[in-house]
Amino acid sequence: SQTIHQWPATLVQPVGSPLSLECTVEGTSNPNLYWYRQAAGRGLQLLFYSVGIGQISSEVPQNLSASRPQDRQFILSSKKLLLSDSGFYLCAWSWIAGSYEQYFGPGTRLTVT
Amino acid sequence: AQSVAQPEDQVNVAEGNPLTVKCTYSVSGNPYLFWYVQYPNRGLQFLLKYITGDNLVKGSYGFEAEFNKSQTSFHLKKPSALVSDSALYFCAVRTGTSGGYNKLIFGAGTRLAVHP
Repeated sequence: SQTIHQWPATLVQPVGSPLSLECTVEGTSNPNLYWYRQAAGRGLQLLFYSVGIGQISSEVPQNLSASRPQDRQFILSSKKLLLSDSGFYLCAWSWIAGSYEQYFGPGTRLTVT
Repeated sequence: AQSVAQPEDQVNVAEGNPLTVKCTYSVSGNPYLFWYVQYPNRGLQFLLKYITGDNLVKGSYGFEAEFNKSQTSFHLKKPSALVSDSALYFCAVRTGTSGGYNKLIFGAGTRLAVHP
Protein backbone atom coordinates (compact mmCIF):
# COMPACT_ATOMS: atom_id res chain seq x y z
CA SER A 1 0.00 0.00 0.00
CA GLN A 2 1.01 3.60 -0.47
CA THR A 3 1.86 6.06 2.27
CA ILE A 4 2.79 9.72 2.23
CA HIS A 5 4.92 11.42 4.85
CA GLN A 6 5.48 15.07 5.64
CA TRP A 7 7.85 16.67 8.05
CA PRO A 8 8.11 18.49 10.21
CA ALA A 9 4.59 18.32 11.61
CA THR A 10 4.83 21.80 13.09
CA LEU A 11 7.28 24.63 12.57
CA VAL A 12 7.68 28.10 14.02
CA GLN A 13 10.03 30.33 12.07
CA PRO A 14 10.91 34.04 12.26
CA VAL A 15 10.24 36.38 9.38
CA GLY A 16 13.13 36.39 6.93
CA SER A 17 14.34 32.90 7.77
CA PRO A 18 14.56 30.08 5.18
CA LEU A 19 12.10 27.22 4.88
CA SER A 20 12.31 23.63 3.79
CA LEU A 21 9.36 21.25 4.03
CA GLU A 22 9.71 17.70 2.84
CA CYS A 23 7.24 15.21 1.46
CA THR A 24 7.93 11.61 0.52
CA VAL A 25 5.72 8.92 -0.93
CA GLU A 26 6.20 5.19 -0.45
CA GLY A 27 4.73 2.25 -2.31
CA THR A 28 4.37 3.76 -5.75
CA SER A 29 6.55 5.06 -8.53
CA ASN A 30 6.34 8.08 -10.82
CA PRO A 31 3.42 9.72 -8.98
CA ASN A 32 2.09 13.17 -9.65
CA LEU A 33 2.93 15.33 -6.63
CA TYR A 34 1.25 18.46 -5.32
CA TRP A 35 1.77 21.16 -2.68
CA TYR A 36 -1.25 22.95 -1.25
CA ARG A 37 -1.65 25.65 1.37
CA GLN A 38 -4.71 25.80 3.57
CA ALA A 39 -5.37 29.07 5.35
CA ALA A 40 -7.73 29.53 8.29
CA GLY A 41 -8.79 25.87 8.24
CA ARG A 42 -10.76 26.22 5.04
CA GLY A 43 -10.06 26.36 1.35
CA LEU A 44 -7.09 24.75 -0.32
CA GLN A 45 -4.83 26.65 -2.68
CA LEU A 46 -2.72 24.64 -5.09
CA LEU A 47 0.83 26.00 -5.00
CA PHE A 48 2.87 23.60 -7.14
CA TYR A 49 2.51 20.33 -8.98
CA SER A 50 5.01 17.96 -10.51
CA VAL A 51 4.61 15.22 -13.09
CA GLY A 52 8.21 14.00 -12.86
CA ILE A 53 11.71 14.54 -11.49
CA GLY A 54 12.78 18.12 -12.00
CA GLN A 55 9.43 19.08 -13.54
CA ILE A 56 7.70 21.73 -11.43
CA SER A 57 4.76 23.92 -12.32
CA SER A 58 3.72 26.87 -10.23
CA GLU A 59 0.09 27.84 -9.88
CA VAL A 60 0.49 31.21 -8.21
CA PRO A 61 3.33 33.72 -7.98
CA GLN A 62 4.64 33.80 -4.46
CA ASN A 63 7.54 33.69 -2.09
CA LEU A 64 7.86 29.89 -2.30
CA SER A 65 9.52 27.41 -4.60
CA ALA A 66 9.37 23.65 -5.03
CA SER A 67 11.76 20.97 -6.16
CA ARG A 68 11.56 17.28 -6.93
CA PRO A 69 15.07 15.84 -6.66
CA GLN A 70 13.90 12.22 -6.58
CA ASP A 71 10.89 10.41 -7.97
CA ARG A 72 9.04 10.24 -4.67
CA GLN A 73 10.39 13.31 -2.92
CA PHE A 74 8.87 16.77 -3.11
CA ILE A 75 10.32 19.77 -1.29
CA LEU A 76 8.79 23.17 -0.60
CA SER A 77 11.24 25.98 0.07
CA SER A 78 11.60 29.65 0.71
CA LYS A 79 14.69 31.82 1.01
CA LYS A 80 12.99 34.40 3.23
CA LEU A 81 9.70 33.76 4.96
CA LEU A 82 6.94 36.36 5.17
CA LEU A 83 4.22 36.58 7.79
CA SER A 84 1.73 35.74 5.06
CA ASP A 85 3.42 32.37 4.52
CA SER A 86 1.87 31.06 7.72
CA GLY A 87 -0.59 28.25 7.16
CA PHE A 88 -1.16 24.54 6.93
CA TYR A 89 0.84 22.98 4.10
CA LEU A 90 -0.37 19.78 2.55
CA CYS A 91 1.42 17.48 0.16
CA ALA A 92 -0.55 15.09 -2.03
CA TRP A 93 0.08 12.46 -4.65
CA SER A 94 -1.96 10.84 -7.39
CA TRP A 95 -1.49 8.09 -9.92
CA ILE A 96 -0.19 9.32 -13.22
CA ALA A 97 -3.03 7.58 -15.08
CA GLY A 98 -6.24 5.70 -14.42
CA SER A 99 -7.44 6.79 -11.03
CA TYR A 100 -7.88 10.50 -10.47
CA GLU A 101 -8.16 11.10 -6.75
CA GLN A 102 -5.34 12.66 -4.77
CA TYR A 103 -4.06 11.29 -1.48
CA PHE A 104 -2.91 13.74 1.14
CA GLY A 105 -0.19 13.70 3.73
CA PRO A 106 -0.71 14.68 7.38
CA GLY A 107 0.33 18.29 6.78
CA THR A 108 2.79 20.78 8.28
CA ARG A 109 1.58 23.67 10.41
CA LEU A 110 3.85 26.65 9.72
CA THR A 111 3.74 29.74 11.91
CA VAL A 112 5.88 32.69 10.87
CA THR A 113 6.51 35.10 13.74
CA ALA B 1 -14.58 28.60 -15.89
CA GLN B 2 -14.64 25.37 -13.97
CA SER B 3 -15.68 25.63 -10.36
CA VAL B 4 -17.22 23.86 -7.42
CA ALA B 5 -19.46 25.40 -4.76
CA GLN B 6 -20.43 24.30 -1.30
CA PRO B 7 -23.28 26.61 -0.38
CA GLU B 8 -23.32 25.85 3.35
CA ASP B 9 -20.54 26.91 5.70
CA GLN B 10 -21.89 24.63 8.40
CA VAL B 11 -24.41 21.83 8.67
CA ASN B 12 -25.83 20.80 12.03
CA VAL B 13 -27.51 17.44 12.53
CA ALA B 14 -28.52 15.30 15.45
CA GLU B 15 -26.85 11.94 15.93
CA GLY B 16 -28.84 9.19 14.26
CA ASN B 17 -30.48 11.54 11.75
CA PRO B 18 -29.64 11.50 8.06
CA LEU B 19 -27.17 14.09 6.83
CA THR B 20 -26.62 15.85 3.53
CA VAL B 21 -23.72 18.09 2.58
CA LYS B 22 -24.33 19.95 -0.66
CA CYS B 23 -22.03 20.46 -3.62
CA THR B 24 -22.65 21.94 -7.05
CA TYR B 25 -20.18 22.12 -9.90
CA SER B 26 -19.52 23.79 -13.20
CA VAL B 27 -17.23 22.02 -15.67
CA SER B 28 -16.82 21.62 -19.38
CA GLY B 29 -17.09 18.02 -20.45
CA ASN B 30 -17.74 15.06 -18.19
CA PRO B 31 -17.30 15.84 -14.51
CA TYR B 32 -15.00 13.84 -12.28
CA LEU B 33 -16.16 14.56 -8.73
CA PHE B 34 -14.72 13.78 -5.30
CA TRP B 35 -15.49 14.12 -1.62
CA TYR B 36 -12.87 14.44 1.11
CA VAL B 37 -13.05 14.74 4.89
CA GLN B 38 -10.63 16.59 7.14
CA TYR B 39 -10.34 16.21 10.88
CA PRO B 40 -8.65 19.00 12.91
CA ASN B 41 -4.96 19.44 12.13
CA ARG B 42 -4.96 16.46 9.80
CA GLY B 43 -4.66 15.93 6.09
CA LEU B 44 -7.62 15.34 3.82
CA GLN B 45 -8.96 11.80 3.58
CA PHE B 46 -10.52 10.57 0.35
CA LEU B 47 -14.14 9.42 0.82
CA LEU B 48 -15.52 8.66 -2.63
CA LYS B 49 -15.56 9.64 -6.27
CA TYR B 50 -17.81 9.75 -9.31
CA ILE B 51 -16.20 9.12 -12.67
CA THR B 52 -18.93 7.36 -14.63
CA GLY B 53 -21.65 4.77 -14.12
CA ASP B 54 -24.24 4.64 -11.35
CA ASN B 55 -25.36 8.02 -10.07
CA LEU B 56 -25.25 6.78 -6.46
CA VAL B 57 -21.69 6.25 -5.33
CA LYS B 58 -20.80 4.50 -2.11
CA GLY B 59 -17.67 5.34 -0.18
CA SER B 60 -15.87 5.01 3.12
CA TYR B 61 -17.41 5.18 6.61
CA GLY B 62 -20.97 4.66 5.32
CA PHE B 63 -21.02 7.79 3.18
CA GLU B 64 -22.54 7.95 -0.26
CA ALA B 65 -23.03 10.66 -2.84
CA GLU B 66 -25.60 11.23 -5.53
CA PHE B 67 -24.57 12.60 -8.89
CA ASN B 68 -27.27 14.64 -10.61
CA LYS B 69 -26.27 15.81 -14.04
CA SER B 70 -29.32 18.00 -14.69
CA GLN B 71 -28.83 19.87 -11.42
CA THR B 72 -25.02 19.76 -11.66
CA SER B 73 -24.89 18.54 -8.09
CA PHE B 74 -22.97 15.91 -6.15
CA HIS B 75 -24.38 15.91 -2.62
CA LEU B 76 -22.81 13.82 0.12
CA LYS B 77 -25.17 11.77 2.25
CA LYS B 78 -25.25 9.38 5.16
CA PRO B 79 -28.39 7.65 6.45
CA SER B 80 -27.49 7.92 10.14
CA ALA B 81 -24.99 10.48 11.42
CA LEU B 82 -22.45 9.77 14.14
CA VAL B 83 -20.82 12.29 16.46
CA SER B 84 -17.50 11.08 15.05
CA ASP B 85 -18.58 12.32 11.60
CA SER B 86 -18.10 15.88 12.82
CA ALA B 87 -15.39 17.31 10.57
CA LEU B 88 -14.72 19.56 7.59
CA TYR B 89 -15.92 18.19 4.25
CA PHE B 90 -14.60 19.19 0.85
CA CYS B 91 -16.07 18.61 -2.57
CA ALA B 92 -13.67 18.68 -5.53
CA VAL B 93 -13.80 18.48 -9.31
CA ARG B 94 -11.03 17.37 -11.63
CA THR B 95 -9.96 19.92 -14.20
CA GLY B 96 -6.71 18.44 -15.46
CA THR B 97 -5.91 17.86 -19.08
CA SER B 98 -5.22 14.46 -20.54
CA GLY B 99 -1.88 12.84 -19.91
CA GLY B 100 -2.24 12.03 -16.26
CA TYR B 101 -2.14 15.46 -14.71
CA ASN B 102 -4.90 15.44 -12.13
CA LYS B 103 -5.60 18.97 -11.04
CA LEU B 104 -8.47 19.25 -8.59
CA ILE B 105 -10.44 22.34 -7.70
CA PHE B 106 -11.77 22.23 -4.15
CA GLY B 107 -14.83 23.86 -2.69
CA ALA B 108 -14.50 26.12 0.34
CA GLY B 109 -15.53 23.31 2.67
CA THR B 110 -18.55 22.62 4.87
CA ARG B 111 -18.21 22.05 8.56
CA LEU B 112 -20.43 19.23 9.76
CA ALA B 113 -21.41 19.23 13.41
CA VAL B 114 -23.24 16.17 14.71
CA HIS B 115 -24.81 16.71 18.12
CA PRO B 116 -25.47 13.88 20.60
